[in-house]
Amino acid sequence: EDKVVQSPLSLVVHEGDTVTLNCSYEVTNFRSLLWYKQEKKAPTFLFMLTSSGIEKKSGRLSSILDKKELFSILNITATQTGDSAIYLCAGAGNDMRFGAGTRLTVKP
Amino acid sequence: GAVVSQHPSRVICKSGTSVKIECRSLDFQATTMFWYRQFPKQSLMLMATSNEGSKATYEQGVEKDKFLINHASLTLSTLTVTSAHPEDSSFYICSARDWGPRGNTGELFFGEGSRLTVL
Repeated sequence: EDKVVQSPLSLVVHEGDTVTLNCSYEVTNFRSLLWYKQEKKAPTFLFMLTSSGIEKKSGRLSSILDKKELFSILNITATQTGDSAIYLCAGAGNDMRFGAGTRLTVKP
Repeated sequence: GAVVSQHPSRVICKSGTSVKIECRSLDFQATTMFWYRQFPKQSLMLMATSNEGSKATYEQGVEKDKFLINHASLTLSTLTVTSAHPEDSSFYICSARDWGPRGNTGELFFGEGSRLTVL
């Protein structure tokens, strides 16, 4: 059975800290690993990863995929209070399955 | 980017009634759409995969007679919650995958979500 596991489930940091969010997956006919940020309503897209070892960056956020270990991480450097959200990873294969999410709280 | 429209965004209904939620891909064709349910402070739970022109594939534990999914065209999928009960109250989100030139790696686009409250 396909599954996506995220850790930690919850994280509280202070502004300026760097955080690493983890995502492991077992997905049939794996195509890509996606990261989303969810604040109030629908998730917003962050990254799509299809190849191992290639880091994707967007400002203070970066992510990388390890297809051998079936693992991805999302890094956020110099965190800000606006980064507070639930971060979801999803494995895309025959369908699109989400992990439980990591609830990140950034305190001033 | 691609746009997925979901309607209604909020619906309140009486127990026993049926509610239909629409999900439209506005500027691309979506042969596959996904329906998720999200409880407060929890992640998105895949309910079913909707395939254009064929029956939806439901996840284990999701009642297909309770949650009717119809994907009659390449741009529209509907979820009907039949004989709704208070425990069906939840946030329902649809998403569609764009395999076209703009998103040829299959990026997933979400609707705005529909908050269902069953009294």
